[in-house]
Amino acid sequence: AQSVSQHNHHVILSEAASLELGCNYSYGGTVNLFWYVQYPGQHLQLLLKYFSGDPLVKGIKGFEAEFIKSKFSFNLRKPSVQWSDTAEYFCAVKGKTSYDKVIFGPGTSLSVIP
Amino acid sequence: DAGVIQSPRHEVTEMGQEVTLRCKPISGHNSLFWYRQTMMRGLELLIYFNNNVPIDDSGMPEDRFSAKMPNASFSTLKIQPSEPRDSAVYFCASSSMTAINTEAFFGQGTRLTVV
Repeated sequence: AQSVSQHNHHVILSEAASLELGCNYSYGGTVNLFWYVQYPGQHLQLLLKYFSGDPLVKGIKGFEAEFIKSKFSFNLRKPSVQWSDTAEYFCAVKGKTSYDKVIFGPGTSLSVIP
Repeated sequence: DAGVIQSPRHEVTEMGQEVTLRCKPISGHNSLFWYRQTMMRGLELLIYFNNNVPIDDSGMPEDRFSAKMPNASFSTLKIQPSEPRDSAVYFCASSSMTAINTEAFFGQGTRLTVV
């Protein structure tokens, strides 16, 4: 079965703390991987993506993620969070055929305390 | 490009009424997705189209829900009759089917409240 799991439902951090959000997927075949962010009251926006090549990908606002194929993981990291990073974060996977759909994880709510 | 455009942004309707949500995908994109987001169930894929053809509608909750894509630049999601439990934010997203390495782009969503 195709699925995405995220390790934490809700994370609370103080400003300047380091962040790591876990994501694991189950999918037969090669995949594209994504992290989306949803700020309060807004739509989902792409944070970063992995298609191929270097498994360490860098996105906007200082975020990065590492694809570990052997662990079926794509964890999101940021060395120092800011209050403005408070949002919902979604990991997603999509197969590499034209007809594959995007499968989202349940999301992780991040609250950053000033 | 203006991105994925959804209308209306907000909809309040009475139980039993018909509701129609609209989506205009990004020009040139030929995959279109309808998602529903609630606190309880998170982000759910309802249906998606490739080249205007529905590929997978297994996420559509029941027969009260229907979706159409009459052409490459327009899709509708209809709920008839609507019920309070349909209250949610409905997102439309599009992507390019011809490019396998591409992400989905989301619209601003329609916040539906059924009273």
